Amino acid sequence: AQSVTQLDSQVPVFEEAPVELRCNYSSSVSVYLFWYVQYPNQGLQLLLKYLSGSTLVESINGFEAEFNKSQTSFHLRKPSVHISDTAEYFCAVSDLEGDYKLSFGAGTTVTVRA
Amino acid sequence: DAGVTQSPTHLIKTRGQQVTLRCSPKSGHDTVSWYQQALGQGPQFIFQYYEEEERQRGNFPDRFSGHQFPNYSSELNVNALLLGDSALYLCASRRTGGKGEQYFGPGTRLTVT
Repeated sequence: AQSVTQLDSQVPVFEEAPVELRCNYSSSVSVYLFWYVQYPNQGLQLLLKYLSGSTLVESINGFEAEFNKSQTSFHLRKPSVHISDTAEYFCAVSDLEGDYKLSFGAGTTVTVRA
Repeated sequence: DAGVTQSPTHLIKTRGQQVTLRCSPKSGHDTVSWYQQALGQGPQFIFQYYEEEERQRGNFPDRFSGHQFPNYSSELNVNALLLGDSALYLCASRRTGGKGEQYFGPGTRLTVT
């Protein structure tokens, strides 16, 4: 079984400032790692994923996350946020040996202010 | 290319009633999972369907049941609704053989009064 801990429930940040959302996971097997974003009153959108290979993964809208196996972390970063990045962000893991069910963290609400 | 679609968008039911939610997976996907997202929480896995059978189940009571049809679409049924069943119900699909990457629909907001 896996579990995910998102260390910050709310992160207020000013526009054009950097942001980091922290995610730690626990699992007895190898995992895939994901970040999903949820805008108000919408479903989840896949932001980026780590499946294998390079431990640094990037999204098309400037987010990046780094898989750290020794620290069992998958923190999400963006060097300069926009108002439109205001949303809830979920870290999720799925194991490679089961049926890929996702285990989610409780989410981090990012509020970007001008 | 249509993504995952769900219906209805919103639903209001009374305690004790039954509800059916529907999901059509993304084109080319054959595995459907359902998640419950209570207000202010992360989604919780309910169950997964593949080849019209329930393959894996989370920690949900038998009041939650499902079905998958030959065209890969799926239904989630909840009987004897409780106030605590009020939540956003999300459907996710993936392609068997893919690397676990799941795509979510917009969800159905269920309110139980």
